[in-house]
Amino acid sequence: QSVLTQPPSVSGAPGQRVTISCTGSSSNIGARYDVHWYQQLPGTAPKLLIYVNSNRPSGVPDRFSGSKSGTSASLAITGLQAEDEADYYCQSYDSSLSGYVFGTGTKVTVL
Amino acid sequence: QVQLVQSGAEVQKPGASVKVSCKASGYTFTGYYMHWVRQAPGQGLEWMGWINPNSGGTIYAQKFQGRVTMTRDTSITTAYMELSSLISDDTAVYYCARVNKGDYGYYFDYWGQGTLVIVSS
Repeated sequence: QSVLTQPPSVSGAPGQRVTISCTGSSSNIGARYDVHWYQQLPGTAPKLLIYVNSNRPSGVPDRFSGSKSGTSASLAITGLQAEDEADYYCQSYDSSLSGYVFGTGTKVTVL
Repeated sequence: QVQLVQSGAEVQKPGASVKVSCKASGYTFTGYYMHWVRQAPGQGLEWMGWINPNSGGTIYAQKFQGRVTMTRDTSITTAYMELSSLISDDTAVYYCARVNKGDYGYYFDYWGQGTLVIVSS
């Protein structure tokens, strides 16, 4: 049972903007721990997409952006493209569990 | 360039053990902790624990304590994850992942390709 909750799916037409929420609690996101995001294309390993709430690794398009506020975080994808179809996971640290936690995952579908 | 190359798929019987390797290259092996994450078929990501390749120190998720052992061989820059007393629910893809330090916490900046472990009689 994940402690970070994401919507199971989001969808949008090419070119549109979609957002994915990641809701935590006072023992993880609300406790100032960083939130990071990963993209998992079908049949592949997860890939770092956003680190420390809003930073993009080299090579990640600026269509992807992250934010954090209170006990939640969000990932936004603007100018949605077919290649963005994937599963997306948020990740943080939980002090109650003394361990790293992932979100439940969100499948992005490009209509 | 940083690379993490894992061992191949395994099929094990219930009650057996499995040992997965993760060969690191392209960076100083002892300078970054290595974590293990698993993903059951059609499910999300589950953190298992980490090893400090420099000291060999480990921390395991409570769920796996007593069943998982993480080790390393610095001479060949390889980390290992051994899971014992396997049950069918352990069928999953197992990933090694290097971590980097953020402001408050760590993130997984490089991942292995994954190793499928099937537990079946």
